[in-house]
Amino acid sequence: DAGITQSPRHKVTETGTPVTLRCHQTENHRYMYWYRQDPGHGLRLIHYSYGVKDTDKGEVSDGYSVSRSKTEDFLLTLESATSSQTSVYFCAATDANYGYTFGSGTRLTVV
Amino acid sequence: TQLLEQSPQFLSIQEGENLTVYCNSSSVFSSLQWYRQEPGEGPVLLVTVVTGGEVKKLKRLTFQFGDARKDSSLHITAAQPGDTGLYLCADPEAYSGGGADGLTFGKGTHLIIQP
Repeated sequence: DAGITQSPRHKVTETGTPVTLRCHQTENHRYMYWYRQDPGHGLRLIHYSYGVKDTDKGEVSDGYSVSRSKTEDFLLTLESATSSQTSVYFCAATDANYGYTFGSGTRLTVV
Repeated sequence: TQLLEQSPQFLSIQEGENLTVYCNSSSVFSSLQWYRQEPGEGPVLLVTVVTGGEVKKLKRLTFQFGDARKDSSLHITAAQPGDTGLYLCADPEAYSGGGADGLTFGKGTHLIIQP
């Protein structure tokens, strides 16, 4: 059960550099999401997609962009990484039945 | 966005004990989901409750949805070390009142079951 695969699993990057995180799903789900998880804040929605090339902003979208050129892939880009973007990032996917499936996360450290 | 309050934040108990954790909101939920997250992994869906007063059982886990659909509880009977994890409640309709515009999560209950 491949489900959702996130890559890389861990990344350390320098402040000011661009970073792209990848999410790949094998379930052909229509909806995909990017969340970040931080102590004291829990899981917060960054961006989501409701189809190829259809995306929208979530609760904490500043400094992030996304792209979805294929149903199975959803990319999250940090245009110019900052220390405040050090976090664990999770991708999720669902169909309209609301059962969300999450990936195993990417731990990003911005130094 | 609806605020989900979970309590307690942290709970550490001995193997074999029973426990209950809670999820509350000032607004009415259309439905509510419970997830468990283990260290280094993403959340995994345990259950979805939809109807006020609904009770669902998953082995030793019992989920209850309040009659007014503003609260929910998770009760674990005879807890085991394998139950250790972060328990999260989530509202699938908080962002838009409908559709699949993303989950809103509570901050979770960190549960540790000691052998």
